[in-house]
Amino acid sequence: NAGVTQTPKFRILKIGQSMTLQCTQDMNHNYMYWYRQDPGMGLKLIYYSVGAGITDKGEVPNGYNVSRSTTEDFPLRLELAAPSQTSVYFCASHVGTEAFFGQGTRLTVV
Amino acid sequence: GQQLNQSPQSMFIQEGEDVSMNCTSSSIFNTWLWYKQDPGEGPVLLIALYKAGELTSNGRLTAQFGITRKDSFLNISASIPSDVGIYFCAGRIQGAQKLVFGQGTRLTINP
Repeated sequence: NAGVTQTPKFRILKIGQSMTLQCTQDMNHNYMYWYRQDPGMGLKLIYYSVGAGITDKGEVPNGYNVSRSTTEDFPLRLELAAPSQTSVYFCASHVGTEAFFGQGTRLTVV
Repeated sequence: GQQLNQSPQSMFIQEGEDVSMNCTSSSIFNTWLWYKQDPGEGPVLLIALYKAGELTSNGRLTAQFGITRKDSFLNISASIPSDVGIYFCAGRIQGAQKLVFGQGTRLTINP
């Protein structure tokens, strides 16, 4: 079972560059989330989606954008990368009560 | 926004000791979840709780859904080196669908 798949696993960006973090799930879950986890810290919610075509801001949405054109995919876009966006990014999906996480994308902005 | 207060933030214990951690909130929850995150990995579900007062075990781990529905506890008995990691509580507030996460408890074990 693939579950939640994130790509890439690692990326180094220069300040001002843009990139898209990909997340796809094959469990037909409606809810999907993007979190960031700074070193030694917990999870902070960036954006979430309750279904295709519907997205909403979490705690720390500034500097990010998302889209949800299909149930399976929930990409996270960084338009102008900044050093403060250096973090590990986790995508998760859930239906009912259990959330499933991807393996994470480690992003460094230099 | 909704807040889950998880404590302690970190623990340093000897192998073989028991561990206790908890999450509290001012909101009423109808689901509590406990996750573990190994270094370099995403969080993985350990225990799910669905009813106030519920006590559920998973091996050496035991979690309880608080009677007030505003808190939950996780206990680990006889800790071993592979218990090292970050433990997160999560929950679904009554009337909401979105999950909220605690800040995590980082567990370090000295052999």
